[in-house]
Amino acid sequence: DAEITQSPRHKITETGRQVTLACHQTWNHNNMFWYRQDLGHGLRLIHYSYGVQDTNKGEVSDGYSVSRSNTEDLPLTLESAASSQTSVYFCASSETAGGMETQYFGPGTRLLVL
Amino acid sequence: GDSVTQMEGPVTLSEEAFLTINCTYTATGYPSLFWYVQYPGEGLQLLLKATKADDKGSNKGFEATYRKETTSFHLEKGSVQVSDSAVYFCALTPEGGSEKLVFGKGTKLTVNP
Repeated sequence: DAEITQSPRHKITETGRQVTLACHQTWNHNNMFWYRQDLGHGLRLIHYSYGVQDTNKGEVSDGYSVSRSNTEDLPLTLESAASSQTSVYFCASSETAGGMETQYFGPGTRLLVL
Repeated sequence: GDSVTQMEGPVTLSEEAFLTINCTYTATGYPSLFWYVQYPGEGLQLLLKATKADDKGSNKGFEATYRKETTSFHLEKGSVQVSDSAVYFCALTPEGGSEKLVFGKGTKLTVNP
């Protein structure tokens, strides 16, 4: 069965360190998204990609970067982790369908920055 | 910009009670509208959707109708179960082909036996 996976599921790091969160999907979807979930804010879009070599900034992109070298993967990098980046991170993917298609979410990565 | 407003939670109900979670949106034209559900410790999954005015989305006993005149997409269920305890998110994708979801802040539902 097709799926979307994230790793690690839990991560503790220190401020100033570089951290990379992995996202891998086997749906063969063109579109991939990274969100962060914080109490009182719902889900906010960090970065997204509509295909290989395409990346775009979302609502809260400062301090984060992504790259898309193949269809299956969209790793999220925190260049220099800050305590404000403590959050739960979700990756999602979807087919291109004029905005009418379902996004499929991974199980999330819980990140703690000390 | 586009936005989604949901009723503040948390909502606590007894089993078999009627559920309504209000959702209104601000967007130009005809966005697509979604309800996603997040069970404890899991990622989000689609509950239902509607892509044009007057459409009704339904799944697992939940329903929501796309009301253009009131810019609303309220979620309803006639008889909730303990297993419906979760966080519910209303969301939209703007008209014009953008694939990006705009989420409301979520409403936590707890159903007691």
